[in-house]
Amino acid sequence: DTAVSQTPKYLVTQMGNDKSIKCEQNLGHDTMYWYKQDSKKFLKIMFSYNNKELIINETVPNRFSPKSPDKAHLNLHINSLELGDSAVYFCASKDRLSNTEAFFGQGTRLTVV
Amino acid sequence: AQSVTQLDSQVPVFEEAPVELRCNYSSSVSVYLFWYVQYPNQGLQLLLKYLSGSTLVKGINGFEAEFNKSQTSFHLRKPSVHISDTAEYFCAVSARETSGSRLTFGEGTQLTVNP
Repeated sequence: DTAVSQTPKYLVTQMGNDKSIKCEQNLGHDTMYWYKQDSKKFLKIMFSYNNKELIINETVPNRFSPKSPDKAHLNLHINSLELGDSAVYFCASKDRLSNTEAFFGQGTRLTVV
Repeated sequence: AQSVTQLDSQVPVFEEAPVELRCNYSSSVSVYLFWYVQYPNQGLQLLLKYLSGSTLVKGINGFEAEFNKSQTSFHLRKPSVHISDTAEYFCAVSARETSGSRLTFGEGTQLTVNP
């Protein structure tokens, strides 16, 4: 059983398209995150949700919109994709009360052409 | 706010040699400390963590790290590396008292183990 699963693993799309990445965790955690890893492998937080409520929203273009239908899912929708959006996107989850380590998905490699 | 500095972007070593990957952090509040490993085309896997107690923590795959509060460091060590340890290693911190707090990562250290 995969603890944090993301789909798709690879996504190649043209500029201007709209795409979504899905994330699900079966750990019973109540906090979920989206991180972006750029071409230099730097990891930067984008969003965090706690029990379906947005609690962290970094300086991210409003073309990026997270959606949390329930506390086990956090999806990322991206409108009007640009070349600079090409990156690896990681979903992660954490138990808010224990507040220790985060568990990561395998990543989604997005390539915008 | 927290920040993390990994002092070496690349560390090449020979197989069976010891290795140390350096990490320093800055924070105005108490933090938890972590090392994650990322193998090529994979996600992040937790190597070890410091929450409290003994400052020397042991992790998976023979790695260990020592928390030094006065030097605000959390260096990762392994006495004898294998080819399979070739990967990107990330040091990270999160605020201790803030529930659900984010992880702040360093820029990563690419460890390359050569035969």
